[in-house]
Amino acid sequence: NAGVMQNPRHLVRRRGQEARLRCSPVKGHSHVYWYRQLPEEGLKFMVYLQKENIIDESGMPKERFSAEFPKEGPSILRIQQVVRGDSAAYFCASSPGLLGEKLFFGSGTQLSVL
Amino acid sequence: AQTVTQSQPEMSVQEAETVTLSCTYDTSESNYYLFWYKQPPSRQMILVIRQEAYKQQNATENRFSVNFQKAAKSFSLKISDSQLGDTAMYFCAFMKMEGAQKLVFGQGTRLTINP
Repeated sequence: NAGVMQNPRHLVRRRGQEARLRCSPVKGHSHVYWYRQLPEEGLKFMVYLQKENIIDESGMPKERFSAEFPKEGPSILRIQQVVRGDSAAYFCASSPGLLGEKLFFGSGTQLSVL
Repeated sequence: AQTVTQSQPEMSVQEAETVTLSCTYDTSESNYYLFWYKQPPSRQMILVIRQEAYKQQNATENRFSVNFQKAAKSFSLKISDSQLGDTAMYFCAFMKMEGAQKLVFGQGTRLTINP
């Protein structure tokens, strides 16, 4: 029973490029959350998705960032025209339903922008 | 909005000692969850312990226990008989029991267990 799978584990991009981060939730989980962790800080909520729907994107920057969780396939966090300030670890978590306390975290994707 | 504060950026103790990590939070909610997460160098977020606010009894998981003071909005983590494998970042987190199930994290405490 695989946990939350995130890939890639490390991603290097140059300024202005696009970054695509993938998250496959625990099998059967239909709720996905994305968090960002800047160096030496705690995780900050970005977006909450259910299959094909964005439920809460109150933590997402207004520009360049988007997220999706299609009916088939992994959830994708997309960052367009990356800047150095986007360098961070991005974590995905999944849950089976509204019992959000049973969150399972992935190991994160470390994005480095050169 | 909820906030979580961890006032100890770093702590260091000897193996087998007991250590307490502090956490305070601010909320107007009545029903919520509180958590302690461990983040070792592997970066994996590991749930250590969870407390439901409506429960007066403090949660315990083996060597880990909490001191939950609801009126004071305090939620400290005690690690007994500390082990080298306990070395990690520890994050306190808050989650409302209703509505969007999203975690609010503190800034973290870096705990080092010395041999």
